[in-house]
Amino acid sequence: QAVLTQPSSLSASPGASASLTCTLRSDINVGTYRIYWYQQKPGSPPQYLLRYKSDSEKQQGSGVPSRFSGSKDASANAGILLISGLQSEDEADYYCMIWHSRTWVFGGGTKLTVL
Amino acid sequence: EVQLVESGGGLVQPGGSLRLSCAASGFTFRSYWMTWVRQAPGKGLEWVANIKQDGSEKYYVDSVKGRFTISRDNAKNSLYLQMNSLRAEDTGVYYCAREPDAFDIWGQGTMVTVSS
Repeated sequence: QAVLTQPSSLSASPGASASLTCTLRSDINVGTYRIYWYQQKPGSPPQYLLRYKSDSEKQQGSGVPSRFSGSKDASANAGILLISGLQSEDEADYYCMIWHSRTWVFGGGTKLTVL
Repeated sequence: EVQLVESGGGLVQPGGSLRLSCAASGFTFRSYWMTWVRQAPGKGLEWVANIKQDGSEKYYVDSVKGRFTISRDNAKNSLYLQMNSLRAEDTGVYYCAREPDAFDIWGQGTMVTVSS
């Protein structure tokens, strides 16, 4: 089982909100991890969006709009990237990441379509 | 301007070697962990290796251990990835990134193709 699992795709309408999930393997507890989120558009390197561990320990990437936010769902053992007020420019691939067992681990990525 | 520029990619036969370089500018290179991330064509991101500010700690993904070596030269503001015994599955774009915590600055990447 992969350390981090993301749905391969998600669609949402302009102006709506999108909730992207990053589920941790069942033997590792989301509560103990900082979860990092990146956005990648075609032909470009990834860009750092934010880091979330708790409401008291979080960081927004430089210049990243506040409509991008992080949270966790402990019952689902998952990290969540919430994008509110979706815009066409938010159409991209989104990756989560954690530091686990002395390695960085990425999720497989979610392709977000805004239509 | 804070910038990372990778170079050294190309076409190499299976079993061959390549050395990637990453030139840093616009920030105090010696103060940061640095990392390499790769992306196979049409696939997701895979972290490859990282290195502490003074080079005293290095970590690798299991699939490259014993084949790849990360290093840095703080006097030259440069990061390197020596890749030996290359395999077809090593094909992809290789990015270097600054790692103060998150990977906050990325280069544009250099393409590595392993094929006969």
